[in-house]
Amino acid sequence: QVQLVQSGAEVRKPGASVKVSCEASGYTFTNYDINWVRQAPGQGLEWMGWMNPNGGDTGSAQKFRGRLTMTRSTSIKTAYMELSSLTSEDTAVYYCARGTGERITIFGVLVTRGYFDYWGQGTLVTVSS
Amino acid sequence: DIQMTQSPSTLSASVGDRVTITCRASQSISTSLAWYQQKPGKAPKVLIFKASSLESGVPSRFSGSGSGTEFTLTISSLQPDDFATYYCQQYNTYWWTFGQGTKVEIK
Repeated sequence: QVQLVQSGAEVRKPGASVKVSCEASGYTFTNYDINWVRQAPGQGLEWMGWMNPNGGDTGSAQKFRGRLTMTRSTSIKTAYMELSSLTSEDTAVYYCARGTGERITIFGVLVTRGYFDYWGQGTLVTVSS
Repeated sequence: DIQMTQSPSTLSASVGDRVTITCRASQSISTSLAWYQQKPGKAPKVLIFKASSLESGVPSRFSGSGSGTEFTLTISSLQPDDFATYYCQQYNTYWWTFGQGTKVEIK
């Protein structure tokens, strides 16, 4: 069965960076984009960005550009999300989610235009001095 | 980016009620819309994709409709397990955006 298993909770000070992992199993890792979605305490869902594990192309929402880095290791079927220059407003649960749908070309790269059919369990990142 | 607006923000209902949640897009998104259910402390779960297609394993009491800018999620007979928060998400126009959520509470 498809599973996405994320790394454990993290605590960081303002200005630091955090890196969250997402290990995939039960499907061909390179066939589906991995998306990152976050949820601040008591708030809604916010899409952050995507990564194509087959080649490593990435894209992100404008508010995260310059701060968000998404990478992967295909040998261990794991995606990573690193967010830098953290502030208290980055305190949230961070989810990875598999994207499914049609592949389209945006700005010269292949992106999955679709919905998120499998999700990780979430990783709480707390930013506090 | 496309703004997704859900209404109501909170809905109080009883077991057995028919419940409808609306999601409006700031511009046309064809039928590129998904609905998710989220329970406290859990990851979201997809219910509906392509506006009206039921995800495998989702009970048939859930249904979706709409196209363009207005969409609805309907629960035909609310069950105890359905008390949760529901989100819509558009995937027509990069980048993907969610509605702010609708919490379905016990009346």
